[in-house]
Amino acid sequence: DVKVTQSSRYLVKRTGEKVFLECVQDMDHENMFWYRQDPGLGLRLIYFSYDVKMKEKGDIPEGYSVSREKKERFSLILESASTNQTSMYLCASTLGQGYGYTFGSGTRLTVV
Amino acid sequence: DQQVKQNSPSLSVQEGRISILNCDYTNSMFDYFLWYKKYPAEGPTFLISISSIKDKNEDGRFTVFLNKSAKHLSLHIVPSQPGDSAVYFCAATPLNAGGTSYGKLTFGQGTILTVHP
Repeated sequence: DVKVTQSSRYLVKRTGEKVFLECVQDMDHENMFWYRQDPGLGLRLIYFSYDVKMKEKGDIPEGYSVSREKKERFSLILESASTNQTSMYLCASTLGQGYGYTFGSGTRLTVV
Repeated sequence: DQQVKQNSPSLSVQEGRISILNCDYTNSMFDYFLWYKKYPAEGPTFLISISSIKDKNEDGRFTVFLNKSAKHLSLHIVPSQPGDSAVYFCAATPLNAGGTSYGKLTFGQGTILTVHP
């Protein structure tokens, strides 16, 4: 049973702080993704990675960066948190095309 | 540019009746479609999928219909149960994009389904 684990369920950070969201998967998946979920906007792709040290921008990468130093770990970094980055952040992994995603439980981030 | 659209933000249904959730897409490259269900404070979980070579796929109480010419799919839940109350996301991907999509999914805005006892 594939597990995707996000290190924090809830986070409260101050404006301007650097924020790290961690995601670990245990099934040797090549591809990992970071989405944010906002009411009325659905799930929007921030960044994804298809291999160690490889990354590509999604639809809304501004204000974010990512790191993938090991295959099982994909980190999302908010360089300088702002209130409009208050959201639910979801990490997902997949074997590839046609396999669908396994999601983590999400991190509810509030920036004050 | 919303390539996958769920135009109904919410749907309310009586227990035992049918729930029909709709989804439209604009990208002709999409050929594999999935539905995910999400409870509050949890990650989405896979529900059912359909390939563009089919027009219907059934799994227990859940059936997904695909109308390629209209670029429309729908999820039917029969009979609806209170435990089905959740947010439902439609997602699409170009399965035959030559390996360049990396399994990336494009999601709709979601529909909040409420099933009343």
